[in-house]
Amino acid sequence: AQTVTQSQPEMSVQEAETVTLSCTYDTSESDYYLFWYKQPPSRQMILVIRQEAYKQQNATENRFSVNFQKAAKSFSLKISDSQLGDAAMYFCAYRIGIQGAQKLVFGQGTRLTINP
Amino acid sequence: GAGVSQSPRYKVAKRGQDVALRCDPISGHVSLFWYQQALGQGPEFLTYFQNEAQLDKSGLPSDRFFAERPEGSVSTLKIQRTQQEDSAVYLCASSSGWGQPQHFGDGTRLSIL
Repeated sequence: AQTVTQSQPEMSVQEAETVTLSCTYDTSESDYYLFWYKQPPSRQMILVIRQEAYKQQNATENRFSVNFQKAAKSFSLKISDSQLGDAAMYFCAYRIGIQGAQKLVFGQGTRLTINP
Repeated sequence: GAGVSQSPRYKVAKRGQDVALRCDPISGHVSLFWYQQALGQGPEFLTYFQNEAQLDKSGLPSDRFFAERPEGSVSTLKIQRTQQEDSAVYLCASSSGWGQPQHFGDGTRLSIL
């Protein structure tokens, strides 16, 4: 079974600084997708960034980038120039690449606090 | 609609009562998912529909949980004879097809007294 582990229950960072959230996963599949979702107190899960396992290039979305290490099964999220609005729970998630198998497997989450 | 809509936003029920939670996906989205999120945890998959067909219900924790999507649009998650361990946030998500991102609603927070 696939599992996703986030070892940092809480992280904090000063506004405008950079923070990295860790995620590791376990799978025997070669084709899969990885995601980072943000969940503010409103509860809505918002997709931050996604990475296809077959792509070697790390995904980037504005201030958000990932460090995807396929051999190590590691998928960390880097947030640059942190802003107060970045404060939220962050979840790492995995989805197998087989067509028809669409469920997301989530980690336990990391609560990110931004200090002004 | 503009996004995934879930109702009610909060639901309080007494142990043993039946509850029904509604999800209205983004218009035209063929895939619909239900997840259960316990307090302080990540969401866990419950079930998945492709149009009206329930293709995966492997995450439903017991036969007290039942989901339907009869016309391939709105979905209802029903929990019979509720127990305290059913207390959680129930999230619904939809996507336009395989490989496309899942868009989540705000969830229904269910509290069983």
